[in-house]
Amino acid sequence: DTGVSQNPRHKITKRGQNVTFRCDPISEHNRLYWYRQTLGQGPEFLTYFQNEAQLEKSRLLSDRFSAERPKGSFSTLEIQRTEQGDSAMYLCASSAPTGGGEKLFFGSGTQLSVL
Amino acid sequence: AQSVTQLDSQVPVFEEAPVELRCNYSSSVSVYLFWYVQYPNQGLQLLLKYLSGSTLVKGINGFEAEFNKSQTSFHLRKPSVHISDTAEYFCAVRLPQGGSEKLVFGKGTKLTVNP
Repeated sequence: DTGVSQNPRHKITKRGQNVTFRCDPISEHNRLYWYRQTLGQGPEFLTYFQNEAQLEKSRLLSDRFSAERPKGSFSTLEIQRTEQGDSAMYLCASSAPTGGGEKLFFGSGTQLSVL
Repeated sequence: AQSVTQLDSQVPVFEEAPVELRCNYSSSVSVYLFWYVQYPNQGLQLLLKYLSGSTLVKGINGFEAEFNKSQTSFHLRKPSVHISDTAEYFCAVRLPQGGSEKLVFGKGTKLTVNP
């Protein structure tokens, strides 16, 4: 069990550029979640996958955001035409098939700074 | 919709003193309740959870929390804190299994344990 891995740890980009983050969940976990956290706030839910199916999306996830989990293993989160308001820590979490989403394991996050 | 209020943004205490971190929630239906802890430069990890049954739940590292339905509270307590408990603590709610997978977090409470 190597934990949830997120890459890169930090990303600095210019406004208008596209960025992509990767999340590798714990290997036997079929549930995967993306959250966003800004300074002084708790994490906010973005989206949820069960295996490769994206089953839930927050209204926070605008058309510029897209997430995929093509083979039910790793996931990517892409932000197109980044804006300064996208600056945040992007967190990925996974959970085991049994027990529903009652215990989430979080990665250390990708810190995005949009200049 | 569910919401969580953490009443204290920062709580300083001395080592070996007791501590209580307060959490109130709002929901028109039954919810699951959680406390997560975030140590510096680490991902969030689950401290404890209340799903049903006994209202007093025990978690890792000597923490416990009590679910109070009439007061819609889920306060976290520890009788004697250590320096290593310095971290940010997040209260969260979600709908029971079969409902949304979204965890709704509070803004967090920074606990600082001083020698």
